[in-house]
Amino acid sequence: DAGVIQSPRHEVTEMGQEVTLRCKPISGHDYLFWYRQTMMRGLELLIYFNNNVPIDDSGMPEDRFSAKMPNASFSTLKIQPSEPRDSAVYFCASRGGMNTEAFFGQGTRLTVV
Amino acid sequence: GQQVMQIPQYQHVQEGEDFTTYCNSSTTLSNIQWYKQRPGGHPVFLIQLVKSGEVKKQKRLTFQFGEAKKNSSLHITATQTTDVGTYFCAGPVGGSARQLTFGSGTQLTVLP
Repeated sequence: DAGVIQSPRHEVTEMGQEVTLRCKPISGHDYLFWYRQTMMRGLELLIYFNNNVPIDDSGMPEDRFSAKMPNASFSTLKIQPSEPRDSAVYFCASRGGMNTEAFFGQGTRLTVV
Repeated sequence: GQQVMQIPQYQHVQEGEDFTTYCNSSTTLSNIQWYKQRPGGHPVFLIQLVKSGEVKKQKRLTFQFGEAKKNSSLHITATQTTDVGTYFCAGPVGGSARQLTFGSGTQLTVLP
């Protein structure tokens, strides 16, 4: 397996634009997590899915953020409209079961200007 | 916000010195995991501790889980430049055993 795949690796966009981040988890994993990492706030859990169902989205900062998992092999995190304070590295991670190790993607570095 | 705190936030050591980072949770954890993130990289799993008082070793790294399962530590003996990175603890904090919340991390710099 190629591991968790995220795209794009880098994204630069203008304030107000819509941004969509993509993630392909490891095949067979039934948990998928979205994290945001900044110097100030560290590694924050935004939302996680279990068997494609969103379980806890309390970490999503505002209504501008939304996440979907239409099937077991694909998830998106959308920001609309984007703001400069959304600039961060966004990681997707998956794991095969409760209390197992999480595998992270390479991350998407988002810059909103 | 974060319910898993780590100290120190930063640590600079001379190569060959030992290093320890501590993780504290406000609630009892069923298990705790440790990850390492190299500069510019992504977190990579190191180990999981499950039992109260558990101690595990990986070469120069020693991991401990507290008796009350609320704290944990990672100790590195005789650091090397390859140990540079940020070390995170993570666990099912927040009431759900399925969740994975990361601590604030300890950034280790090893001076040659």
